[in-house]
Amino acid sequence: DAKTTQPPSMDCAEGRAANLPCNHSTISGNEYVYWYRQIHSQGPQYIIHGLKNNETNEMASLIITEDRKSSTLILPHATLRDTAVYYCIVSAGDNQGGKLIFGQGTELSVKP
Amino acid sequence: SAVISQKPSRDICQRGTSLTIQCQVDSQVTMMFWYRQQPGQSLTLIATANQGSEATYESGFVIDKFPISRPNLTFSTLTVSNMSPEDSSIYLCSVEDALSYEQYFGPGTRLTVT
Repeated sequence: DAKTTQPPSMDCAEGRAANLPCNHSTISGNEYVYWYRQIHSQGPQYIIHGLKNNETNEMASLIITEDRKSSTLILPHATLRDTAVYYCIVSAGDNQGGKLIFGQGTELSVKP
Repeated sequence: SAVISQKPSRDICQRGTSLTIQCQVDSQVTMMFWYRQQPGQSLTLIATANQGSEATYESGFVIDKFPISRPNLTFSTLTVSNMSPEDSSIYLCSVEDALSYEQYFGPGTRLTVT
């Protein structure tokens, strides 16, 4: 079973920041937090991942709470092309065979 | 990042038949994975396919139904055997980048069983 909880859907205005929350209260010390997204009819796309420190790349920022029980994915300036299902996944990477267990995700709708 | 292709991109099959899906990667990778995405649902991991060893199946998936081959570090196949309408899904393969731990996904194979 997935070890994360996400709201099923969110809306965001184009050009505004999209903040997608994720709860992972049972996360283990060696597990990373991964975010992927799936645009309709495409394969999932990697966004970002982190262990305990906040991370930023060209797509998004990942904020992980100090107790690591929750995190937030931030898309700083959402565009219509960011409309997708966003999946938050905890995984120990190679320590568990690289497996990703997907939950139901958050369906983000970016509106003009 | 790895570029992954899958064949066929879609197919319509009759119940009781089998379909083999191919996954080709443009670089050598150790770990490959097969997922199923039923209509309107999230992705479910079917099995892990590492070169040189038998595939490892997740709970609810068996080798007789979903035999997997992994003949080399750039290629894998998944066969959906003795198909029924419940097998209608999108089947996706993915690979893991050993350095970054990112996974890259293929475009998927959309299977409809009639």
